[in-house]
Amino acid sequence: AIRITQSPSSLSASTGDRVTITCRASQGISSYLAWYQQKPGKAPKLLIYAASTLQSGVPSRFSGSGSGTDFTLTISCLQSEDFATYYCQQYYSYLPLTFGGGTKVEIK
Amino acid sequence: QVQLQQWGAGLLKPSETLSLTCAVYGGSFSGYYWSWIRQPPGKGLEWIGEINHSGSTNYNPSLKSRVTISVDTSKNQFSLKLSSVTAADTAVYYCARGYTFYIAARPRFPVYYFDYWGQGTLVTVSS
Repeated sequence: AIRITQSPSSLSASTGDRVTITCRASQGISSYLAWYQQKPGKAPKLLIYAASTLQSGVPSRFSGSGSGTDFTLTISCLQSEDFATYYCQQYYSYLPLTFGGGTKVEIK
Repeated sequence: QVQLQQWGAGLLKPSETLSLTCAVYGGSFSGYYWSWIRQPPGKGLEWIGEINHSGSTNYNPSLKSRVTISVDTSKNQFSLKLSSVTAADTAVYYCARGYTFYIAARPRFPVYYFDYWGQGTLVTVSS
């Protein structure tokens, strides 16, 4: 199974900050990586797929980059509604599909 | 607009069988893979398994011996059964649609990310 190491596991930031979250895959996955946002008590919401393609309706302050084994999610100007937990998911190898451990973005 | 609505028993005793169903409203049912994913309290996401409209399934090897996913295309529904549950199976269970396509490197195997999710069902296993 492909392991996804996500870091940091949590971070504190202020509104307006630039935030970066990384995922590292245990083997190359090309660009087959998605990012999700999850708020308490809610299902995850797709933000980005194919490592850098923004899902329809997602604000442009979210961006993704990377390929191979190293990937980044950036929130350029953190808004109050962005405080949540973020997960990456690789879909290159599907037995099993695997997620990163999550990054909780908290208010400083 | 695609909507996934799920339901099932929320409280089980050890050794019982977990049973959940997910109904899909709007959009096409065929052409996609449909998955179950779970999330233990305060923890991350674990993919359980998948099914397509033809009934083709694949399961996470870690759960394969206990999992059965089935489909009812007449109702646009798919279901999860997990047998012999223990406290370790306590989690929020989600159904989700996999936006499915195929890559040249492995044309026989689907790849997908999850674009629509159900609302989640908390299943607690306790004696």
